Amino acid sequence: DQQVKQNSPSLSVQEGRISILNCDYTNSMFDYFLWYKKYPAEGPTFLISISSIKDKNEDGRFTVFLNKSAKHLSLHIVPSQPGDSAVYFCAASANNAGNNRKLIWGLGTSLAVNP
Amino acid sequence: DAGITQSPRYKITETGRQVTLMCHQTWSHSYMFWYRQDLGHGLRLIYYSAAADITDKGEVPDGYVVSRSKTENFPLTLESATRSQTSVYFCASSPYNEQFFGPGTRLTVL
Repeated sequence: DQQVKQNSPSLSVQEGRISILNCDYTNSMFDYFLWYKKYPAEGPTFLISISSIKDKNEDGRFTVFLNKSAKHLSLHIVPSQPGDSAVYFCAASANNAGNNRKLIWGLGTSLAVNP
Repeated sequence: DAGITQSPRYKITETGRQVTLMCHQTWSHSYMFWYRQDLGHGLRLIYYSAAADITDKGEVPDGYVVSRSKTENFPLTLESATRSQTSVYFCASSPYNEQFFGPGTRLTVL
């Protein structure tokens, strides 16, 4: 039972345009959400996170939006660059439930930014 | 080197052999994690550790053993490797919410 779902396995975007990656979750106990980027043959790299008390967090070209009522979050990359081509993972945790900081992961979305 | 390292980066072994994957972090993070990544399954948690001498099972612990005698090291042992354990293994450490990953070990069991 996937508690964190990334329904789009892949996404292709033109350089300079906006990339929007989506993530849905089912567990209402989740209170912290993270996005990771992964290049081939490397470990995942932390990108940006958001607490459930916020609905937006921005870091440079990356913005994460959280819609708690819809149990949905999205990562916006503006403008997209070819170096952003990677697999993006959404992850969630339920800190208030004492989950020992375990993260629940989506299956990832492969983003291709075309020059 | 600062950060989190894994060794070896690549390993080929045979069914039935014991294999140990090493993980070392220089941050003194209390939490450490072992994941495996397989096509169609994303990242699955094998074991995690909240501190030295404290370990607990994750989602897929069968066939694996861990130990953590020192904060900085978290080795993962496959006691008797099976073909189904062919995978890419990632170690991570965490100071709080974010986890920071090593480069991974690609293990092939023949």
